[in-house]
Amino acid sequence: ETGVTQSPTHLIKTRGQQVTLRCSSQSGHNTVSWYQQALGQGPQFIFQYYREEENGRGNFPPRFSGLQFPNYSSELNVNALELDDSALYLCASSLERATYGYTFGSGTRLTVV
Amino acid sequence: KQEVTQIPAALSVPEGENLVLNCSFTDSAIYNLQWFRQDPGKGLTSLLLIQSSQREQTSGRLNASLDKSSGRSTLYIAASQPGDSATYLCALRRYGNKLVFGAGTILRVKS
Repeated sequence: ETGVTQSPTHLIKTRGQQVTLRCSSQSGHNTVSWYQQALGQGPQFIFQYYREEENGRGNFPPRFSGLQFPNYSSELNVNALELDDSALYLCASSLERATYGYTFGSGTRLTVV
Repeated sequence: KQEVTQIPAALSVPEGENLVLNCSFTDSAIYNLQWFRQDPGKGLTSLLLIQSSQREQTSGRLNASLDKSSGRSTLYIAASQPGDSATYLCALRRYGNKLVFGAGTILRVKS
């Protein structure tokens, strides 16, 4: 059984650019959630995908968007990057009811300069 | 007021001590509560999951309790070791599809 894998592990982008982060869910999990964790804070919910559709969204602007693919993997896209987007982006997978909790990946560290 | 509060923000103890980390929340309507460990710059490792109908869960040296009526959960670590040094996060899942996290407790166990 494989866990949640994220790529890339680190990324440096320039303000105004666009970025795509990728996540492969744990085997058997059909739901993927994305979180943003700023330094010294707890993760904040961005959105969740289930059956290839957005299934809940946190307080993030529309320039944060995502996709889920038929194999349950997912992408997080951020347009018009701002300095405050610098953070650790975490992907979590679960079954649709998350009865058994969430499994997180190791994250992608994004630095915007 | 923060929805989920973790106290203390940081804790430093000598090896071998038993310790308690606290998590409090403002609304008792939760689906479950999950404790995570995070090493510096890394992802989250799930430690314990407590369903809303449960009072506690145990795994090895770890014991987590849940008291919905008082809006509190505690993580008890027995016989702490230097390898336990990390940030510990509690997260609530309400009757929706997101986790709400506290800011974490940074634990340092000195050898």
